[in-house]
Amino acid sequence: QKEVEQDPGPLSVPEGAIVSLNCTYSNSAFQYFMWYRQYSRKGPELLMYTYSSGNKEDGRFTAQVDKSSKYISLFIRDSQPSDSATYLCAMEYSGGGADGLTFGKGTHLIIQP
Amino acid sequence: GAVVSQHPSRVICKSGTSVKIECRSLDFQATTMFWYRQFPKQSLMLMATSNEGSKATYEQGVEKDKFLINHASLTLSTLTVTSAHPEDSSFYICSARMVGPSTDTQYFGPGTRLTVL
Repeated sequence: QKEVEQDPGPLSVPEGAIVSLNCTYSNSAFQYFMWYRQYSRKGPELLMYTYSSGNKEDGRFTAQVDKSSKYISLFIRDSQPSDSATYLCAMEYSGGGADGLTFGKGTHLIIQP
Repeated sequence: GAVVSQHPSRVICKSGTSVKIECRSLDFQATTMFWYRQFPKQSLMLMATSNEGSKATYEQGVEKDKFLINHASLTLSTLTVTSAHPEDSSFYICSARMVGPSTDTQYFGPGTRLTVL
């Protein structure tokens, strides 16, 4: 079993829809969780950073963490064609970016105009 | 802020040659940088952790003599792929740790596409 599981998709939704992206993990030692967006042939761009169970909102993005279930989600409201990209969840054992990150495989998201 | 650059963005080389990739934090100092590798349709995999002024720490299965890392300054880390072979063809991405009053996380470079013929 991989440490981090993420459905690679592709996930195709119409413009304006609410998108739900998810990851599960097996190691309860992970304490810090991130979502990155990666456009084709580019480096990942940090979207959200969370460390406690619950919700964190930033504009159209909401990150949700459920440590008891080892499950994290990213919600995108009012999705736009420009949101089409690969979304990677990532996590680390200790805070502060001192460790390397463990990534999910990434979900390829397509927003249809 | 928090810009990380990589050079070159793309390199094609012959088998057996060495290739150097630079990673720079442009507007902040980074005592720690990381190197990742991403194969097509695969996740980013951590290769090594680079600390300024000390030896890099390699992940299990990564050959330290093949992937030489030098972190000579607070804004520059280099990865040299020695005696590259076709199986080393991949997308190499670095990240730099940014520490501030309210932040402590990693920012990624744009990546370097290596093709070994």
